[in-house]
Amino acid sequence: ETGVTQTPRHLVMGMTNKKSLKCEQHLGHNAMYWYKQSAKKPLELMFVYSLEERVENNSVPSRFSPECPNSSHLFLHLHTLQPEDSALYLCASSHPVYVGGSSDTQYFGPGTRLTVL
Amino acid sequence: KNQVEQSPQSLIILEGKNCTLQCNYTVSPFSNLRWYKQDTGRGPVSLTIMTFSENTKSNGRYTATLDADTKQSSLHITASQLSDSASYICVVIYNDMRFGAGTRLTVKP
Repeated sequence: ETGVTQTPRHLVMGMTNKKSLKCEQHLGHNAMYWYKQSAKKPLELMFVYSLEERVENNSVPSRFSPECPNSSHLFLHLHTLQPEDSALYLCASSHPVYVGGSSDTQYFGPGTRLTVL
Repeated sequence: KNQVEQSPQSLIILEGKNCTLQCNYTVSPFSNLRWYKQDTGRGPVSLTIMTFSENTKSNGRYTATLDADTKQSSLHITASQLSDSASYICVVIYNDMRFGAGTRLTVKP
């Protein structure tokens, strides 16, 4: 185990549903990330939080809404998703927000496999 | 075009054999390059981290090499085991992180 947990592990939802993904890290890190991983594509960074403040949003559609209530928890709220949003959603954490130094290794959770019908 | 290209896309080898995975990148300059292993149904786990000044880094049976002149990195796996079956992802870091699409390795008995 990496110290980063995600729930649920699998989620099937309709396009009109509202659901939330949860991530929790037990590593004492102060930066957390949401990634989208589609088949045969590179990981796509969606959101970055540092010290509970959003520092990066890579032009993600508004149907994805992140929330970081404290440095240990990160949520991704989902509403009116599209079938093309089906993917593996990965959460990660690190000490500082990545600045290129080798000390800021990201630790990933197991992901939530999302299917949008 | 992705700034980090990995090859092959997939690879099947027999248990006990060696293999080499490639990563070509156009990101420049960069501060470090990482290889991650991602088991099915799991998140990526860091294998090696190399700064731009390092040429090689080992982690058990995994050895990563880096040629900053040609902008190429490779991950060599020695004496493969069934548990090596996974996706291997190359990540290049400067002020941002650029991920390759990964190589899917299958080790068969």
